[in-house]
Amino acid sequence: NAGVMQNPRHLVRRRGQEARLRCSPMKGHSHVYWYRQLPEEGLKFMVYLQKENIIDESGMPKERFSAEFPKEGPSILRIQQVVRGDSAAYFCASSPRDGGFIIQYFGAGTRLSVL
Amino acid sequence: KNEVEQSPQNLTAQEGEFITINCSYSVGISALHWLQQHPGGGIVSLFMLSSGKKKHGRLIATINIQEKHSSLHITASHPRDSAVYICAVRHYGGATNKLIFGTGTLLAVQP
Repeated sequence: NAGVMQNPRHLVRRRGQEARLRCSPMKGHSHVYWYRQLPEEGLKFMVYLQKENIIDESGMPKERFSAEFPKEGPSILRIQQVVRGDSAAYFCASSPRDGGFIIQYFGAGTRLSVL
Repeated sequence: KNEVEQSPQNLTAQEGEFITINCSYSVGISALHWLQQHPGGGIVSLFMLSSGKKKHGRLIATINIQEKHSSLHITASHPRDSAVYICAVRHYGGATNKLIFGTGTLLAVQP
């Protein structure tokens, strides 16, 4: 699991600032998933991306949140004009392909604190 | 009601005890995952199963598709097993591989 790299591990932002969370999938993995874990709540799906494509963003808040997975470089989860309610742990997972019986490998997460 | 329910929410055990964590789900699934999360730490995939039983070391996972129920067992528990254990499922026939998670079971194993 150490193969999925997320940075930063901890991010502190003031209300109204932008937060950029990065995820480098395991080598050979072209499928990336972002999940959010709010305090005292379970993990929730946000978005699923393949290289250069957003496949499923049904879990993304309608405003301020965006995600990308460019041809080169890591996947980025971007939160504009952060609010206190965005404080959470954001986890990225990757897999070599999609399918019903495919393991997702998780990163260590980014803990976002909004002051 | 959540699509994935876990019980108990919190569990305290003495070292050496046999531990069972339960997961029930209300949707058709193609796979069920058991994950482990240490406080402040990342998430580790323990098992992925769609039928029967799997064993890895002191961990055993079972699933009953007809009853929509899975259990995670830990034999000879140890303080290092203390963590949050999370059940997650993938919808059968779902468009993508996104997972639906239970709220987790916080396990504390005391020496």
